[in-house]
Amino acid sequence: AQSVTQLGSHVSVSEGALVLLRCNYSSSVPPYLFWYVQYPNQGLQLLLKYTTGATLVKGINGFEAEFKKSETSFHLTKPSAHMSDAAEYFCAVSDLTGNQGGKLIFGQGTELSVKP
Amino acid sequence: DGGITQSPKYLFRKEGQNVTLSCEQNLNHDAMYWYRQDPGQGLRLIYYSQIVNDFQKGDIAEGYSVSREKKESFPLTVTSAQKNPTAFYLCASSWRGQPNTEAFFGQGTRLTVV
Repeated sequence: AQSVTQLGSHVSVSEGALVLLRCNYSSSVPPYLFWYVQYPNQGLQLLLKYTTGATLVKGINGFEAEFKKSETSFHLTKPSAHMSDAAEYFCAVSDLTGNQGGKLIFGQGTELSVKP
Repeated sequence: DGGITQSPKYLFRKEGQNVTLSCEQNLNHDAMYWYRQDPGQGLRLIYYSQIVNDFQKGDIAEGYSVSREKKESFPLTVTSAQKNPTAFYLCASSWRGQPNTEAFFGQGTRLTVV
């Protein structure tokens, strides 16, 4: 079975500091991986995705993630945090079992706080 | 503008009532999904549909029902059998339901039992 684990339910950084949000996955087949961001009382917005090809993926708002098969990880980073980055972040993997259908399996989420 | 519209934004349900959450998309996507979000639990799949007049149960379908009579619409009914319906509900869609394509999400409906 596939699964996603996000390490740390809450991460706090200072404005201008590096942002690192951790995501590890479990999958017996090559995964398709996604990072989404959610602002309070809003839906989810795609930050970036990995399907095949280059393992370093660049997304919107200066975020990027690196797919590391040997570590089964897909950590999200941003060199310099901005106040507007405060939100909840979800890592997800496509469910490739059974009927598939584009279903997503989500991690528990990481809430990012940015201190001035 | 193309997108997914969920309504209402806030919904209050009395004990024993059925309520229906609306989800409409104009992205011409084939696949649509309903997820439930609870604090600290991420999102869990309730139902999904890959084509009109067909849908499948997700991980937590008990106490919920759906229909897919039109490509654009995928309403979710929370029945009185759902014992703990208070949650944030998110509707999503994706093009042809392919696993390597991203899902687009609506703004959500917050359901509260009163």
